Amino acid sequence: GQNIDQPTEMTATEGAIVQINCTYQTSGFNGLFWYQQHAGEAPTFLSYNVLDGLEEKGRFSSFLSRSKGYSYLLLKELQMKDSASYLCAVRDSNYQLIWGAGTKLIIKP
Amino acid sequence: DTGVSQDPRHKITKRGQNVTFRCDPISEHNRLYWYRQTLGQGPEFLTYFQNEAQLEKSRLLSDRFSAERPKGSFSTLEIQRTEQGDSAMYLCASSLVSGDQETQYFGPGTRLLVL
Repeated sequence: GQNIDQPTEMTATEGAIVQINCTYQTSGFNGLFWYQQHAGEAPTFLSYNVLDGLEEKGRFSSFLSRSKGYSYLLLKELQMKDSASYLCAVRDSNYQLIWGAGTKLIIKP
Repeated sequence: DTGVSQDPRHKITKRGQNVTFRCDPISEHNRLYWYRQTLGQGPEFLTYFQNEAQLEKSRLLSDRFSAERPKGSFSTLEIQRTEQGDSAMYLCASSLVSGDQETQYFGPGTRLLVL
């Protein structure tokens, strides 16, 4: 079967750095996405990785290792507004998105 | 606002009633997706359209669910004879497929509560 694993919940301090991991087992791989979702709102696109390595976009970076079936989302200089769920999704061989359950990130002052 | 829009944002209905939701995608996008999401879970794929053609429907989707995209623009999702288990957030997303590149952009969702 297809599976995306992420930690259920993480806590970090304002101003700090946090890394959210995602491991996947899917039938094929055609890219990995990270989305941010605030409570009661729709997911918003953060990043896309299809090749191995690090993609940096402001305070957010995403890393991919296809051989390990592993990605992480790195958030720097955390702000209170970063409190949200972070969803990892993999596009499989049929170009369908397989979604993780999300990691709820709690930022404390 | 040129993003994905959904209507209504909230719907409360009684068990057994039919409900219909609407999604207006980003205008130049050719794909439209419907998802269902419950608390603490990621989005669950329901169905998607490429222009007006419905290309895939989840095997988990009951026959009570039907979706249309008659002119390749807006889409509707209908749930017949609603059940309490249908209570969830219904999300619509659209995308522009260009070669292997595709990023889905989500609407604000319709939150359904079945009493």
